Amino acid sequence: NAGVMQNPRHLVRRRGQEARLRCSPVKGHSHVYWYRQLPEEGLKFMVYLQKENIIDESGMPKERFSAEFPKEGPSILRIQQVVRGDSAAYFCASSPRGGGASDRVWQYFGPGTRLTVT
Amino acid sequence: AQSVAQPEDQVNVAEGNPLTVKCTYSVSGNPYLFWYVQYPNRGLQFLLKYITGDNLVKGSYGFEAEFNKSQTSFHLKKPSALVSDSALYFCAVRDRDGGSQGNLIFGKGTKLSVKP
Repeated sequence: NAGVMQNPRHLVRRRGQEARLRCSPVKGHSHVYWYRQLPEEGLKFMVYLQKENIIDESGMPKERFSAEFPKEGPSILRIQQVVRGDSAAYFCASSPRGGGASDRVWQYFGPGTRLTVT
Repeated sequence: AQSVAQPEDQVNVAEGNPLTVKCTYSVSGNPYLFWYVQYPNRGLQFLLKYITGDNLVKGSYGFEAEFNKSQTSFHLKKPSALVSDSALYFCAVRDRDGGSQGNLIFGKGTKLSVKP
C-alpha cells in the first residue's frame, strides 16, 4: 500500500516564478491537508481540502497561494511569483474522512517537498 | 535513522485527573521536539516545542512537556484534563544538526479521550 506521495521532493525556483507542489493521498482518502515548515520552526497549518472543496483555508496567505483537490488527480499547492520567504518544506497529509468527535481519524503524512527560492 | 514512537494508540482519562501522552524519539544529533493536536475536522495545531533551555516546556491550553535526554523522551502532560482536550495528539522530531534540510518526523498519533 502506497502512502502519501509528494512530488517533486526538491524544487528550486527563481524569484517571480511559479511553484506547483503535488500531493497524491493514500488510496481511498478524500481529505487532504497542507502544512508549511519554516526553517527552525515546526509545522504551520495552511489549508484543508476535501475532493473539489476547500474546507478550511485559515492558514493560507491571502495572496499568491492557492490549493485545489480535483475529483481526479493529485492535490496541487500553487505558489505564484515566489519570493525568498517562501523557501520551506511543504508537507501534505491525507485522511479517509474528516472524522467526528469520537472517531480516530489519523492523518498520514507525506515526505514533504523542499522548495528553495533563489 | 530518525524515528518517533508514541507507544499508546489511545489514552483514557477522567476529567480533572492528570494526563500523560508518551513520546520517545531517536535522532542522530540534538533534537527539536514538537507536540501537535488535531481536533475533529481540523488540521494540526501547534501545542508546544522544545528547542533548548529548560527541560520543562509550557504550551497552549495548559499543556506542558518534559524533555528527558537520558530517556530520549518528550512526554506531554496536563495536571487536570478537560473533556474538550479529547483529540488526536502527534509528537514530532527534527534533527537540529541536520540544518535547515532536516524534515519533521511524526509519530503515529495518540487518541486522548477524556470522560466527564
